[in-house]
Amino acid sequence: AQSVTQLDSQVPVFEEAPVELRCNYSSSVSVYLFWYVQYPNQGLQLLLKYLSGSTLVESINGFEAEFNKSQTSFHLRKPSVHISDTAEYFCAVIEKGGYQKVTFGTGTKLQVIP
Amino acid sequence: DAGITQSPRHKVTETGTPVTLRCHQTENHRYMYWYRQDPGHGLRLIHYSYGVKDTDKGEVSDGYSVSRSKTEDFLLTLESATSSQTSVYFCAISESRTGDNSPLHFGNGTRLTVT
Repeated sequence: AQSVTQLDSQVPVFEEAPVELRCNYSSSVSVYLFWYVQYPNQGLQLLLKYLSGSTLVESINGFEAEFNKSQTSFHLRKPSVHISDTAEYFCAVIEKGGYQKVTFGTGTKLQVIP
Repeated sequence: DAGITQSPRHKVTETGTPVTLRCHQTENHRYMYWYRQDPGHGLRLIHYSYGVKDTDKGEVSDGYSVSRSKTEDFLLTLESATSSQTSVYFCAISESRTGDNSPLHFGNGTRLTVT
């Protein structure tokens, strides 16, 4: 069965500094990978996804994530964070052929400090 | 806006009472899901549905049942609520028709408190 590990439960970072949120997964088959963001009192929203092709994927608001098959990782990065990036971020995985059963990590709270 | 409505948004109930949460979609998608979100656990799948009257269990299905009599509605029932079921419940839908690479779209959640 697939699993997702987000080791950092909270990450404080100063505004305009770079940030990396770590995600590692475990699966015996090929996977699709996703990052979701959750703002307070809201549901999760898709931030970016890796399905195939280029291992570096980008979002419209400056985040990027790189799929590393050998390290089974899908870390999320942003070179310069803004106050508005304060939220909780969830990494998720679907096994190919897994009938859309999504497994989520436990989440990382990003706190951007002014 | 993915056209997902959860009701109620907030509910307080007593231990031992039945509770039903409703998820309604306007997108006519095949796959629907119920997750619960708890601090330190992320989101955990309770049940999911891959069509009308087609449902299956997730990783934390004990104490929960679901029904899907229409494409647009997916109901989650707590037969006899317990304090451990105090949580935020999210419904999600998937655009996928036959594949498995579509992201989920989430409702805004139902905050359930069992006293």
